Amino acid sequence: DAGVTQSPTHLIKTRGQHVTLRCSPISGHKSVSWYQQVLGQGPQFIFQYYEKEERGRGNFPDRFSARQFPNYSSELNVNALLLGDSALYLCASSPDGGAGTDTQYFGPGTRLTVL
Amino acid sequence: AQSVTQLGSHVSVSEGALVLLRCNYSSSVPPYLFWYVQYPNQGLQLLLKYTTGATLVKGINGFEAEFKKSETSFHLTKPSAHMSDAAEYFCAVSKNFGNEKLTFGTGTRLTIIP
Repeated sequence: DAGVTQSPTHLIKTRGQHVTLRCSPISGHKSVSWYQQVLGQGPQFIFQYYEKEERGRGNFPDRFSARQFPNYSSELNVNALLLGDSALYLCASSPDGGAGTDTQYFGPGTRLTVL
Repeated sequence: AQSVTQLGSHVSVSEGALVLLRCNYSSSVPPYLFWYVQYPNQGLQLLLKYTTGATLVKGINGFEAEFKKSETSFHLTKPSAHMSDAAEYFCAVSKNFGNEKLTFGTGTRLTIIP
């Protein structure tokens, strides 16, 4: 089975622009989470979606938004990009967002550079 | 609130030597604890996790970790380091049931000396 896939792999934008990142979970997984990993730091939680509903939100500004589609794929949108948004954006999927014992499986990430 | 502290942002060990990566956690509820590994330009791969039950957890690639509640620790060990173990290692914590949000530490970069 294919793992979590993310597109694009790399992206270069300029300040003030908008970006959309995409994630396809492992087949059968209903929960998708997004994390931001700034260079030299650990990943920071942005959003979790389960069955198309937002289940959790991290401490990120309203410029960040996400949604989940009926096929459980997800998009992360960032508006009015800042230099500080440059990071690796990781998507993770798990079978059931309601069970703490679920394992989260991470994709390879999208490397966003804001100039 | 939950948090993890990883002691040592860089650790170097000789090939064949013991690997010890330290992680201490803070949690207001019984935690679930995880170790993930990240190879260059890749995503995160789960090494092992502690949820409930046996406090000594065995993972992939010969790694293991022991949950010590009295010390609020979850250190990662491997008896004999291989060159292929060179990577970034992250400790993470989550609440039990109903919340999968992972809170990560800042990571430890492991270098293996030939």
